[in-house]
Amino acid sequence: AQTVTQSQPEMSVQEAETVTLSCTYDTSESNYYLFWYKQPPSRQMILVIRQEAYKQQNATENRFSVNFQKAAKSFSLKISDSQLGDTAMYFCAFMRPWGAQKLVFGQGTRLTINP
Amino acid sequence: DTGVSQDPRHKITKRGQNVTFRCDPISEHNRLYWYRQTLGQGPEFLTYFQNEAQLEKSRLLSDRFSAERPKGSFSTLEIQRTEQGDSAMYLCASSLAGAGFQETQYFGPGTRLLVL
Repeated sequence: AQTVTQSQPEMSVQEAETVTLSCTYDTSESNYYLFWYKQPPSRQMILVIRQEAYKQQNATENRFSVNFQKAAKSFSLKISDSQLGDTAMYFCAFMRPWGAQKLVFGQGTRLTINP
Repeated sequence: DTGVSQDPRHKITKRGQNVTFRCDPISEHNRLYWYRQTLGQGPEFLTYFQNEAQLEKSRLLSDRFSAERPKGSFSTLEIQRTEQGDSAMYLCASSLAGAGFQETQYFGPGTRLLVL
């Protein structure tokens, strides 16, 4: 079974700073998808960024980028020029590209951006 | 496209009562997922449908839980004889199968259940 681990329960940074959230996972699959989802307080979960395992190039979406290290089974999220609206729970998730394609989530990191 | 909607948003019930939640997916999406999220944890998969067929159920889904998706549109999740341990946020997500890597699960706002 796949597992996802986020070792940072909480993080706090000042606005405009750069912050990196950590995620490790365990799988025997060779191809899979990885995601970062954001869940703002009392709001629904939205996709931040996704990465396909066979692609070596790290995904980027505006201020969000990932550092995908397949051999180390590590998938960290970097948020540049952080904004107050980035305050949220961030979940790392794993998905196999076949079958139910269900998401396996980590425990989450609560990120607070301070003014 | 109005997104995934869930009803009710909040439900308080007494132990032993039955509750039913509804999820309306994005209209063209043929896959629908239910997840459960307890406080301070990430969501956990419960079950999923492709069209009207329920194709996989988690071991978390005891026999007190039943889900349906008649006609492949909206879905309902029923919990019978609720227990305090059922208190959680129940999330629904939908996606379009066959889109490959671009298949993204879009989440609804969730139904928060409190069992007293």
